[in-house]
Amino acid sequence: AQTVTQSQPEMSVQEAETVTLSCTYDTSESDYYLFWYKQPPSRQMILVIRQEAYKQQNATENRFSVNFQKAAKSFSLKISDSQLGDAAMYFCAYRSVAGGTSYGKLTFGQGTILTVHP
Amino acid sequence: NAGVTQTPKFQVLKTGQSMTLQCAQDMNHNSMYWYRQDPGMGLRLIYYSASEGTTDKGEVPNGYNVSRLNKREFSLRLESAAPSQTSVYFCASSDWAGAPRDADTQYFGPGTRLTVL
Repeated sequence: AQTVTQSQPEMSVQEAETVTLSCTYDTSESDYYLFWYKQPPSRQMILVIRQEAYKQQNATENRFSVNFQKAAKSFSLKISDSQLGDAAMYFCAYRSVAGGTSYGKLTFGQGTILTVHP
Repeated sequence: NAGVTQTPKFQVLKTGQSMTLQCAQDMNHNSMYWYRQDPGMGLRLIYYSASEGTTDKGEVPNGYNVSRLNKREFSLRLESAAPSQTSVYFCASSDWAGAPRDADTQYFGPGTRLTVL
């Protein structure tokens, strides 16, 4: 079974600065998807960014980018020019592509609470 | 756009009571999911349904049952609630149709906060 670990329970950043959230995962599979989800105080889960393991190029989405290190099984999220609205809990998630009982299911990390200071 | 809706938003139960959490999506998605979120543990999958008429267990299915009533609706039932089931419950849906590389972005409902006394 796959596991996802977020070792930073809490992080903080000054407005307009850059912050990086860490995520590592354990899998024996070579093909999979990785995601970052944002959960603001409203509790709504919002997809931030997605990475396909067979693509070496790191995904970017406006101010959000990832550093995907497949060999190290590391998938960090960089938020540039942080804004007050970025304050939320961020979850890293894994989805298998290899088949079997893991199809279509997301495995989440424990989450990192991000605080943005004005 | 309603997306994924869940009812109720809050619920308090006594140990041993039963209840059903309702979920509906209007995006014509094939797959639907139920997760629970507990502090320090992230979201864990309870059950999922890859298509109408099919359901499968996730990581923590004990104490729960599900029904995929039709393509739109996926309900979660607690037959005899226990304090360990105090949690926030999320329903999600995606357009995943069963093949490895199908579109699979999951869209989440607003959650139900359940307390079992």
